[in-house]
Amino acid sequence: DAGITQSPRHKVTETGTPVTLRCHQTENHRYMYWYRQDPGHGLRLIHYSYGVKDTDKGEVSDGYSVSRSKTEDFLLTLESATSSQTSVYFCAIRLTAGPQYFGPGTRLTVL
Amino acid sequence: SQELEQSPQSLIVQEGKNLTINCTSSKTLYGLYWYKQKYGEGLIFLMMLQKGGEEKSHEKITAKLDEKKQQSSLHITASQPSHAGIYLCGADRLEYGNKLVFGAGTILRVKS
Repeated sequence: DAGITQSPRHKVTETGTPVTLRCHQTENHRYMYWYRQDPGHGLRLIHYSYGVKDTDKGEVSDGYSVSRSKTEDFLLTLESATSSQTSVYFCAIRLTAGPQYFGPGTRLTVL
Repeated sequence: SQELEQSPQSLIVQEGKNLTINCTSSKTLYGLYWYKQKYGEGLIFLMMLQKGGEEKSHEKITAKLDEKKQQSSLHITASQPSHAGIYLCGADRLEYGNKLVFGAGTILRVKS
């Protein structure tokens, strides 16, 4: 295991509520990523971070924001959850080059 | 459209049979990664290939990167139920920095 945890692992929420997902790593990797995985769309990058307080948008960033105040934590926030954001969310880390290592995922349902 | 095309999209094999999954790119691959995902779980890194002609094996799974570095294949010998899952390829792109592009995945089912 690459020392990545995600919390919560499952969440059910209502439309319009804010939601924050947490990714925590113990590997001191520089790069961290948030993806969503949906049937028919595969893995899609939401946001990523290349260092503390350094973040950038991915291909599906609308409706999401991120923050990284410490090397080990990368937070994904849905400011006002919508049903289209029902998905499985994965965090990944990467040292500098080489493979990305993935967390166990968070299953989010927005009613 | 996917920048990495995986084929087949899904397959069902009888236990003990061999199988091959392909990952094809229209651009040169600078780093190619194979992952396996079981239903409801995260992606597990299997192997990384970087050099044209490179071949790596882990247990009964062998991955190759062709000489032109535009296609990779994943071959499973004597498949077992434990091989079932989704196999995804991911690749580095020079223009993407430290982001990877992923294929849509191949669903493998192994019948006992």
